[in-house]
Amino acid sequence: AQSVTQPDIHITVSEGASLELRCNYSYGATPYLFWYVQSPGQGLQLLLKYFSGDTLVQGIKGFEAEFKRSQSSFNLRKPSVHWSDAAEYFCAVGAGNYGQNFVFGPGTRLSVLP
Amino acid sequence: ETGVTQTPRHLVMGMTNKKSLKCEQHLGHNAMYWYKQSAKKPLELMFVYNFKEQTENNSVPSRFSPECPNSSHLFLHLHTLQPEDSALYLCASSQGQESYEQYFGPGTRLTVT
Repeated sequence: AQSVTQPDIHITVSEGASLELRCNYSYGATPYLFWYVQSPGQGLQLLLKYFSGDTLVQGIKGFEAEFKRSQSSFNLRKPSVHWSDAAEYFCAVGAGNYGQNFVFGPGTRLSVLP
Repeated sequence: ETGVTQTPRHLVMGMTNKKSLKCEQHLGHNAMYWYKQSAKKPLELMFVYNFKEQTENNSVPSRFSPECPNSSHLFLHLHTLQPEDSALYLCASSQGQESYEQYFGPGTRLTVT
């Protein structure tokens, strides 16, 4: 069965600093990987996805992620964080024809200092 | 901007009440999902519908009863809930085959008293 770990429960960075959120997954085949962001009281918004091809994927809001098969990782990065990026970030792995095996990590809460 | 709407956004109900959560997607998708998000726990997939057929039921208690009358609408009927069922209930949809990303609604914040 798939599983996703996000080692950092809470990260605090200063505005303008770079950011990297870690995600490790366990899955026997090539995974479909996603990053979502959730602002307080809101649903989840898709930031980016990886299905195949180029292992560095670009997403919305200036985010990117790199798939590293050898490390079973899909870390999310942003070169310069904005105060509006403060939110909860979820990594997810999906499998199956209709995504019924979508598994989310526990999330990383990002705080941004002015 | 999300094409998935959920109503109500907030719901307070007693343990003996019966209520329903509604989800509607305007994206032309074929699959719809219910998730439960509790504090300090990962999102839990509850039900999956594909082309109106239920394809997944992750050992959810029978006090939660889903209904999918068509590919655009999904309901979650609630009855005799417990306080531990208080959570944010999220609906999502996806295109289905060959397109796996899920699009989420804003959720219904449920409080069981």
